[in-house]
Amino acid sequence: AQSVTQPDIHITVSEGASLELRCNYSYGATPYLFWYVQSPGQGLQLLLKYFSGDTLVQGIKGFEAEFKRSQSSFNLRKPSVHWSDAAEYFCAVCMDTGRRALTFGSGTRLQVQP
Amino acid sequence: EAGVTQFPSHSVIEKGQTVTLRCDPISGHDNLYWYRRVMGKEIKFLLHFVKESKQDESGMPNNRFLAERTGGTYSTLKVQPAELEDSGVYFCASSLTGVEQYFGPGTRLTVT
Repeated sequence: AQSVTQPDIHITVSEGASLELRCNYSYGATPYLFWYVQSPGQGLQLLLKYFSGDTLVQGIKGFEAEFKRSQSSFNLRKPSVHWSDAAEYFCAVCMDTGRRALTFGSGTRLQVQP
Repeated sequence: EAGVTQFPSHSVIEKGQTVTLRCDPISGHDNLYWYRRVMGKEIKFLLHFVKESKQDESGMPNNRFLAERTGGTYSTLKVQPAELEDSGVYFCASSLTGVEQYFGPGTRLTVT
């Protein structure tokens, strides 16, 4: 069965510092890949997605992610973190055909220090 | 354009009672999904509607859970009778294409 691993449960960075959140997946083929963010009191917001093509994808709020097939990874990055980025981040995958249910990682909670 | 809405935002019920959660998808989205996050664990898929038909209900935990989507618009998820382990946040999502899913704010269910 497919699985998604986010090895970092909690990360703290200083405002203005760079950020990388890790995501690894286990799948029989290349799935569709997503990053979602959940801010306090809010629902899940889609940050970015990868279906095919260019392995570096740009998303909203200045985030980007890079798909690396050889490492089965889809890490999320931001060059300079803002205090408003404090939230919980979820990596998710689904099949490229057929079943569309998303499989989520356990989430990474980001804390931003002033 | 209005996003996915869910009602109520929070529900507190006693064990053995019944609760009905409602989800209104984005207008025109035929695909509607239910997910659940229990006690800080992973968000887990429950089921997927295409219009009014259940496309995939492999994630439904047991027969105490009943989901409906009459008329292919809004959906309800009923838990009857509720158990303590049903506590968590229930998310609804909708999709036009079936791939990109847009989530609602969730309903926090507390069973005491």
